[in-house]
Amino acid sequence: EIVMTQSPATLSVSPGERATLSCRASQSINSDLAWYQQKPGQAPRLLIYGASTRATNIPPRFSGRGSGTEFTLTISSLQSEDFAVYFCQQYHHWPLYTFGQGTKLEIK
Amino acid sequence: QVQLQESGPGLVKPSETLSLTCSVSGYSISNGYYWGWIRQPPGKGLEWIGNIYYTGSTYYNPSLKSRLTISVDTSKNQFSLKLTSVTAADTAVYYCAKVTGELGSWGQGTLVTVTS
Repeated sequence: EIVMTQSPATLSVSPGERATLSCRASQSINSDLAWYQQKPGQAPRLLIYGASTRATNIPPRFSGRGSGTEFTLTISSLQSEDFAVYFCQQYHHWPLYTFGQGTKLEIK
Repeated sequence: QVQLQESGPGLVKPSETLSLTCSVSGYSISNGYYWGWIRQPPGKGLEWIGNIYYTGSTYYNPSLKSRLTISVDTSKNQFSLKLTSVTAADTAVYYCAKVTGELGSWGQGTLVTVTS
């Protein structure tokens, strides 16, 4: 099983500032990585797939980078609606996909 | 645009069977893709449960495999999950999703609580 480790567990950032979230895989997953945003009481929403491709209707302030085992999600200028929990997910190791434990992005 | 909707009992007794159905609209399951179940215990992270293809081929999380059955009904455009011998540890929000590697379409989720 590929273990996905996200850091930090909680990130406090002021609106308008940049946030960078990290995700590490226990072995190489090439670029088979997705990022999701989850707000309370809602299902996760796909933000990024293929490590760097924005999903439909995702604003350009969201960007993903990385390959192999190290990945980042950057939100360039935080809006109020961006404060949420973010998960990464690997889909390289078919069929057992695994998720990171999540990073909570909170208002500083 | 594909839409998914989970349905099933919100309460299940310990040792009994949890049964959920995911109804798909806006896309025919028979046209392809895998369809999956994911769960999230309250306040915790996401756990992959398993996938099914429209042909009926299934892939299960090894940690749940002995208790799990996922099936598909293409005539109703639905797929289902059965988890036997449930305990409190199976209390979670259960989501169904369209699987294309990434999960681009999710159901809204349904909370299943295991309690006597």
